Parts: sequence; structure tokens; C-alpha cells
Amino acid sequence: DIQMTQSPSTVSASVGDRVTISCRASQDADSWLAWYQQKPGRAPKLLIFRSSTLHDGVPSRFSGSGSGTDFTLTISSLQPDDFATYYCQQYNLFPLTFGGGTRVDIK
Amino acid sequence: QVYLEESGGGVVQPGNSLRLSCAASGFAFEKYGMHWVRQTPGKGLEWVAFIFPDEHKKRYSDAVTGRFTISRDNSKNTMDLQMKSLRADDTGVYYCAKDVRETLLAFDYWGKGTLVSVSS
Repeated sequence: DIQMTQSPSTVSASVGDRVTISCRASQDADSWLAWYQQKPGRAPKLLIFRSSTLHDGVPSRFSGSGSGTDFTLTISSLQPDDFATYYCQQYNLFPLTFGGGTRVDIK
Repeated sequence: QVYLEESGGGVVQPGNSLRLSCAASGFAFEKYGMHWVRQTPGKGLEWVAFIFPDEHKKRYSDAVTGRFTISRDNSKNTMDLQMKSLRADDTGVYYCAKDVRETLLAFDYWGKGTLVSVSS
């Protein structure tokens, strides 16, 4: 199985900050990597797929990059609605696997 | 507008069975792969099962292989998850999720989830 490791587990930031979240795969995931945002009590929402393709309706302040084993989600200017937990997911190989999540909270 | 609604969750004793359903609307259901994903206290988000658009090809996580069965009815726009021999570590919120493409294997729309609690 491909293990997905996210860092940091928590990031404290202020509105307007640039936030970067890392995701590392234990083996090659090519570019088959998605990012999701989840708020408490809600289902996850797709932000990015194929490492860098923004899902419909997702603000352009979100961006993704990387390939192989190292991936990054960047929020260029954090907005109040962005305080949430973020997950990466690889879909290069079955079983599909998620990272443990990164919580973005208010500094 | 894509809409997914899960049903069938509840409290069940270890070893027993439960059947979850997902009703879909707002898209061409028969053209997309569909998934079950769960969120458990122990393992966080965990993919459970996938069914291809044609209803015949399926894939499962190791944790549920042999115990869970995914199925779909394209004439009714529904998907089911039959769960048998349930264990305490199956406890969690179960989401049905639509694939981004026919078989891209990422999830672009999710239901609100249904809670399964396995406890004696």
C-alpha cells in the first residue's frame, strides 16, 4: 500500500497568510494526487485533483504541485472560510489512501 | 446539481450485518464510478470500496474484503454496501462519493454520510 504522510499535522495562521501543506507518498504516486478540505461535521470537499488541477468553483488562492512522492498544497492568502482540515489522497494504486490530515487553525 | 444521500446506518452488534444505500441525482449516474469512503476514529479517512460504471467490476480495501459487498443499480441511480461480520473497528461515518471521471479514482462529490456504530 502507498502510505501518505502529511506535515505539519497542525498549522496556526492568520488571515492573509500564505500556508503550505506537504504530503509525501511512500512510493511513486505519479501525479495521481488529490486534496480535500473538511470542516467539522461535514463531508470532505474536493479542491484539487491530478496534483494541480483545480476542481470547479474552487478559489484560485488554492494551488497544488508535485509529482512522484512529494506534493504541496498552497493557500496563497488565507481567508476566514479556509480554517479547516486538509487531506491528500493518492489514486495511483489500489488501495486508494489518504494522509492523516493537516488542521489549519487561527493563530 | 449533484446530490448524494446515504441511508441505513445505525447501531449493530459485533458479528452482525448492515446494508447501506446511496441515492444519487443530478448527473448521469451510469457513466461514473462510485465509491464508499469511511471516516473512523482510529484511521481517519479510509477508502472502502469502488464499483465501475458497468456494475460488474469492483475493488475493495483489504480491511473489508470478504465481508463487504458493493453493488449498484443504474436503472434506479442507487448504490449499496452490504456489510457482514461487522467489527468494532468498522465504526464510523460512511460516505458515498462520486468519481471525478468514469474511473479517475478521486472523489468530486460526497454525501453527508451515515453513522455506523458497532457495539455490544
